[in-house]
Amino acid sequence: NAGVTQTPKFQVLKTGQSMTLQCAQDMNHEYMSWYRQDPGMGLRLIHYSVGAGITDQGEVPNGYNVSRSTTEDFPLRLLSAAPSQTSVYFCASTGGSGTGELFFGEGSRLTVL
Amino acid sequence: GQSLEQPSEVTAVEGAIVQINCTYQTSGFYGLSWYQQHDGGAPTFLSYNALDGLEETGRFSSFLSRSDSYGYLLLQELQMKDSASYFCAAVSGSARQLTFGSGTQLTVLP
Repeated sequence: NAGVTQTPKFQVLKTGQSMTLQCAQDMNHEYMSWYRQDPGMGLRLIHYSVGAGITDQGEVPNGYNVSRSTTEDFPLRLLSAAPSQTSVYFCASTGGSGTGELFFGEGSRLTVL
Repeated sequence: GQSLEQPSEVTAVEGAIVQINCTYQTSGFYGLSWYQQHDGGAPTFLSYNALDGLEETGRFSSFLSRSDSYGYLLLQELQMKDSASYFCAAVSGSARQLTFGSGTQLTVLP
């Protein structure tokens, strides 16, 4: 019963490097999303998807790219990493039943030097 | 835009009752969710209110007043393991996306 799986759990990048955070869910959820969490702050929505082939921007999309080719996978790409992108990233999914319940992955801690 | 306000810190003793308030300004509002997050962990869902009133789930209850744009989470019979951050989140928009408050750090003292 894996739920939402994120990889990697930890990553250190240099400014300007690119990378992809992977997210997969095995619950057949239509809705998936990416959040970032900075110290003392809540989670801020980066991008979300309501189904395969459909993505949209959240509150803080700049510097990030997403795609949704399958129901299961929703990778987040950092195009050219900046120190301001140092954060903890959470992927989440829901079945869209309107209950306000998101299922979160364990998080990916990213440091950009 | 969307905004939610909640206290940054609350302290209480074991066995006590604590209430964490949340006020929101959200367009296209559907409901209010609450999440718990322990240090280093992922947020976990606690409750959701779509209608006015109180929802009870064990030691935790959540309340919503849509007319006042206000909700709260009530934790009873506090235990040490309840020490964590608690976030309110407004559900809004056609995709029912969640906007989170900045969180309330609850410390339970022995």
